[in-house]
Amino acid sequence: DAKTTQPTSMDCAEGRAANLPCNHSTISGNEYVYWYRQIHSQGPQYIIHGLKNNETNEMASLIITEDRKSSTLILPHATLRDTAVYYCIVRVDFGNEKLTFGTGTRLTIIP
Amino acid sequence: SAVISQKPSRDICQRGTSLTIQCQVDSQVTMMFWYRQQPGQSLTLIATANQGSEATYESGFVIDKFPISRPNLTFSTLTVSNMSPEDSSIYLCSAQTPGLRKEQYFGPGTRLTVT
Repeated sequence: DAKTTQPTSMDCAEGRAANLPCNHSTISGNEYVYWYRQIHSQGPQYIIHGLKNNETNEMASLIITEDRKSSTLILPHATLRDTAVYYCIVRVDFGNEKLTFGTGTRLTIIP
Repeated sequence: SAVISQKPSRDICQRGTSLTIQCQVDSQVTMMFWYRQQPGQSLTLIATANQGSEATYESGFVIDKFPISRPNLTFSTLTVSNMSPEDSSIYLCSAQTPGLRKEQYFGPGTRLTVT
């Protein structure tokens, strides 16, 4: 699986959009970009994933650059409950489906 | 989606003993995994639990230390054997639902302290 690089930590004001970047410059054509988050003392929670098109669901939006070497997770209106560690993971969808977690970005929402 | 429960939620054990952690999923899933999260660190995959056959272990993890069972499509166990204080971690079970979306869901974790 390709390696990802994320900032160690970020702050965001409550009510503002939180934009979390991820670099995955060695991503292969058959690898998807997945985002998970882990709120303190809980198991990781799936957020969103995509291959090359931008994706949106009830939790977040995922913007993938045209060359697929980087992506941004957007939480449109951050709340205090969004404080968590956010993990960007690249993974093939068939054959080797395990998730390899990096160190993630610790996002703190400021009141 | 899938809801995953783990038992026990936490335990304090003496060195040299073993603990078996149970993972139950509320629906049939394709793949199940066991992860370890040491204090202040990210998750590390221990093994893939295969239904009806031996688990597939990641580098650095062996069956004698972490025996795993998966007797059916909704249940798995992880045993931490001959424990030492270095085994103090959170152990998490995850499961992947069938179909095209390939989402993995995680249990709440089992917090193990070895004294």
